[in-house]
Amino acid sequence: DTEVTQTPKHLVMGMTNKKSLKCEQHMGHRAMYWYKQKAKKPPELMFVYSYEKLSINESVPSRFSPECPNSSLLNLHLHALQPEDSALYLCASSQAGQGGGRSEAFFGQGTRLTVV
Amino acid sequence: DAKTTQPNSMESNEEEPVHLPCNHSTISGTDYIHWYRQLPSQGPEYVIHGLTSNVNNRMASLAIAEDRKSSTLILHRATLRDAAVYYCILRGPITGANSKLTFGKGITLSVRP
Repeated sequence: DTEVTQTPKHLVMGMTNKKSLKCEQHMGHRAMYWYKQKAKKPPELMFVYSYEKLSINESVPSRFSPECPNSSLLNLHLHALQPEDSALYLCASSQAGQGGGRSEAFFGQGTRLTVV
Repeated sequence: DAKTTQPNSMESNEEEPVHLPCNHSTISGTDYIHWYRQLPSQGPEYVIHGLTSNVNNRMASLAIAEDRKSSTLILHRATLRDAAVYYCILRGPITGANSKLTFGKGITLSVRP
């Protein structure tokens, strides 16, 4: 199984709502990533988890709260978002550690989020 | 992350070879050169990667300069399905603050029928 599965595929939420995005992989990868992608722009790194610990937070606003409950699952909790947070949210996974650079990363198809 | 530089766009004719260049003059000795592509409305997908030697797989070939400061992704026969944004990314050991997988602007490949 070489898939990264993201749910839901589409999400519309109000600015006062709380919602969560889910990402799952069963490749034994110990590095997992969240990205935000606006139209016609490259993916922008938000968070990196390495061995289930948050290793990188790219100064993301606190209304985005990541969670890695186990080595296969990554969540992104959303609260009090703004319309400008509407974007495609991508999850990725890869091997971690010293050999991580020699292995490819796998991406999910993303969650298309619209904040109204 | 060491930085990569790619042209903004390139056009190709269907069934002709395509050479997509990437410059990475600040590459370190432990960095692998990775290429990913993103088709419209999809997540990025892995294409190929290498360290020093040229690499071939079913999707493409990767030619790496001897000094490793540049590389070229080669699609041997472009198809309409190859129209995408192609990203060249450097990846070192995935440890702590070095765990980033950072995308540059990429190169947009258009394929003419």
